[in-house]
Amino acid sequence: IQMTQSPSTLSAFVGDRVTISCRASQTIHTWLAWYQQKPGKAPKLLIYDASRLETGVPSRFSGSGSGTEFTLTISSLQPDDFATYYCQQYNDYSLLTFGPGTKVEIK
Amino acid sequence: EVQLVESGGGLVQPGGSLRLSCAASGFTFSSYWMHWVRQAPGKGLVWLSRIHSDGSSTTYADSVKGRFTISRDNAKNTLYLQMNSLRVEDTAVYYCARDDGSSYRPTNWFDPWGQGTLVTVSS
Repeated sequence: IQMTQSPSTLSAFVGDRVTISCRASQTIHTWLAWYQQKPGKAPKLLIYDASRLETGVPSRFSGSGSGTEFTLTISSLQPDDFATYYCQQYNDYSLLTFGPGTKVEIK
Repeated sequence: EVQLVESGGGLVQPGGSLRLSCAASGFTFSSYWMHWVRQAPGKGLVWLSRIHSDGSSTTYADSVKGRFTISRDNAKNTLYLQMNSLRVEDTAVYYCARDDGSSYRPTNWFDPWGQGTLVTVSS
């Protein structure tokens, strides 16, 4: 299953509402996770099952979607949120795949 | 605190071998499936392999099948990745990650991740 993300780079101000899209090449139901990665650091799980917030993740992060179209939303961008975000499907558990990433930059 | 610490990375020539280790602490290692994921410099994340909590079952991405072997020693709380026939395109940071599911049913998402170990394949 191929995963795509848009945009590849996003420039935004602190306080902006930010939306990142992820698309699967075939239906993955809601078997989707989102990760945040900062430079030189390991990825961190934000959301699983498309919309379930991982414990400890701020509530400004939310996920939605099902089938082939998914969205990660940051309701009010904070300085700590500037990072690269990846989606990952686990519908096909014989080959887990990630999207190419979306880099969120300071405008 | 749950912690995963990778080691064993370094510079190796094409065709060579390397074994990565991932030391786990802060949780019952034998109760969790584990994964390896890599990231080439400046590139995205690529899942490589998964192993059952008791080591009885393994799965590989096609890109490493037949060259890489995942294993674990639950008595030592350690995950391994044996990498043979290394290619220049295997150059990457290699992460171990814990599956977020139970011992008998993986979720196939990853939480947490180790800090990674860099493998460079070059002559």
